[in-house]
Amino acid sequence: AQSVTQLGSHVSVSEGALVLLRCNYSSSVPPYLFWYVQYPNQGLQLLLKYTTGATLVKGINGFEAEFKKSETSFHLTKPSAHMSDAAEYFCAVSRTNTGNQFYFGTGTSLTVIP
Amino acid sequence: NAGVTQTPKFQVLKTGQSMTLQCAQDMNHNSMYWYRQDPGMGLRLIYYSASEGTTDKGEVPNGYNVSRLNKREFSLRLESAAPSQTSVYFCASSERGQGVYTFGSGTRLTVV
Repeated sequence: AQSVTQLGSHVSVSEGALVLLRCNYSSSVPPYLFWYVQYPNQGLQLLLKYTTGATLVKGINGFEAEFKKSETSFHLTKPSAHMSDAAEYFCAVSRTNTGNQFYFGTGTSLTVIP
Repeated sequence: NAGVTQTPKFQVLKTGQSMTLQCAQDMNHNSMYWYRQDPGMGLRLIYYSASEGTTDKGEVPNGYNVSRLNKREFSLRLESAAPSQTSVYFCASSERGQGVYTFGSGTRLTVV
């Protein structure tokens, strides 16, 4: 069985500060990992994904995440928060690349304080 | 613009009423999905269709039925709506082997 845990349902950062959103997974096999972002009243959009290869993955809007197998983590970071980053962020895990066994975390709401 | 289109965007139903949520994608994706999103619970898979002509239950299928009408369209039906089905429903599609979803903008359903 697989699951995803996002630590902190709400995170607040000041504009210009580091953004760190935490995601841990449990999986019996090497997983595929994803971060999605949801802006208010919209569907989810892919930020970045890890399938194989380099463990540091760069995504859109300056976000990046690092796959750490030893820590079973895939935390999302951005060096400097912008007001436009305020949104809900979802970590997701899949055992395959087909997307048919996809598990989402419960989400982290990011607030950016001016 | 290419993407996933859901209709309606908002709906209020009375308990016991039925309705169908429509979803269409124009990206020629093989796989389509229906999720519901509830506060504090993330997204939960209701049903999915790996390819045209096939459908399978997800995590929370009770009270729902689906139809994969053709490659483009995947509808979700509530036969007898219950207040517990008040939620935001998202349709998504993906191309098999890529693990990347494209989501619609959602349907906000309230059952009173």
